[in-house]
Amino acid sequence: KQEVTQIPAALSVPEGENLVLNCSFTDSAIYNLQWFRQDPGKGLTSLLLIQSSQREQTSGRLNASLDKSSGRSTLYIAASQPGDSATYLCAAYSGYSTLTFGKGTMLLVSP
Amino acid sequence: DTGVSQDPRHKITKRGQNVTFRCDPISEHNRLYWYRQTLGQGPEFLTYFQNEAQLEKSRLLSDRFSAERPKGSFSTLEIQRTEQGDSAMYLCASSPPGQPYEQYFGPGTRLTVT
Repeated sequence: KQEVTQIPAALSVPEGENLVLNCSFTDSAIYNLQWFRQDPGKGLTSLLLIQSSQREQTSGRLNASLDKSSGRSTLYIAASQPGDSATYLCAAYSGYSTLTFGKGTMLLVSP
Repeated sequence: DTGVSQDPRHKITKRGQNVTFRCDPISEHNRLYWYRQTLGQGPEFLTYFQNEAQLEKSRLLSDRFSAERPKGSFSTLEIQRTEQGDSAMYLCASSPPGQPYEQYFGPGTRLTVT
């Protein structure tokens, strides 16, 4: 059974810092891996989708990497802003195309 | 391009009542998924459909839960005899033909059981 772990559970940084969110998964036989953002009480916003054949994806200030052999993915956020404050969820696609999510990293960026 | 929609967005019900949620996937998406998210946790898979066929159900989906997708379009999730432990965000997602590993999520339905 796939398990996804995210570290740290919470992170507080001042505006402008670069930061890294970590995600690990137990079963390396994944298909794609996806990072989401979730604002309090809201649904999921997809940030980046990394296909199994890829090593990384970039969108604006966000960069996500995937290392299937070690069972790890990282989300790098450059020059953080208060508007980046949210919970970031990592999810791995396994068999039957179902997603297994981590519990998320709650990020607070202070002005 | 219309995204995944869910109705209602919020539902408050008393313990023991039945509730039904609706999900409308993105047009022409053949797969539809239901997830449940409790406070402080990541979403957990409940069930999914390919067209009108329900292909997989999680052990989380007790006998009080039933999902349908008539005609392979919208889907409904019904919870009978609700319990306080059913309070959660219910998320729906869909994926296009040939791309099951790229899901698009709706805004969710927040259920509160009092």
